[in-house]
Amino acid sequence: QSVLTQPPSVSGAPGQRVTISCTGSSSNIGAGYNVHWYQQLPGTAPKLLIYGNNNRPSGVPDRFSASKSGTSASLAITGLQAEDEADYYCQSYDGSLSGVFGGGTKLTVL
Amino acid sequence: QVQLQQSGPGLVKPSQTLSLTCAISGDSVSSNSATWNWIRQSPSRGLEWLGRTYYRSKWFNDYAGSVKSRITINPDTSKNQFSLQLNSVTPEDTAVYYCARAPRIQAAGTEFDYWGQGTLVTVSS
Repeated sequence: QSVLTQPPSVSGAPGQRVTISCTGSSSNIGAGYNVHWYQQLPGTAPKLLIYGNNNRPSGVPDRFSASKSGTSASLAITGLQAEDEADYYCQSYDGSLSGVFGGGTKLTVL
Repeated sequence: QVQLQQSGPGLVKPSQTLSLTCAISGDSVSSNSATWNWIRQSPSRGLEWLGRTYYRSKWFNDYAGSVKSRITINPDTSKNQFSLQLNSVTPEDTAVYYCARAPRIQAAGTEFDYWGQGTLVTVSS
């Protein structure tokens, strides 16, 4: 059972916008800790997608954005493309200073 | 560009010790800003942070409570790498193990910006 809760799956057609939620608690996201997002393609390591709640590393398209409010965060992907089909994970910290992750969301591009 | 290259056996017998190494290029295990982490991923437990080592005038280690009694993470400055040892493994420790860099320590928590390629470790007799 992951500390952060994500929907198991989301889907969208090419060109559409999808959002993925990440729900935590007052001991992690709600405590003010940053939220980060990762994209994981099959058979590969997670790749950093968003850091510090809403910042994109160099090379990540601006189709990817994120926000945080209260005990939750969300990742938005606009202009959906076939190559976006992957698993997405959120990550934050909790009171014991360890990294905590969401259970992951499988994005299917219809 | 930071690269992390993992090595180690993919099969460990129950009750024995899991040992993995992560070789760093493009940064230093003795960095005064980064931390060096081990994370594992399994269908039953998802992504689970295991622990980290870092240098701030001296060496520090932090471990997840779930493995604290069984885990050791050590830096090797001569080879610019760090290692994971997990003792007394059971089939529940079967997972893909990743090493990862966190670029800094900050009060609001930080991300893992570079990851190793992953090593599937199966615990079985």
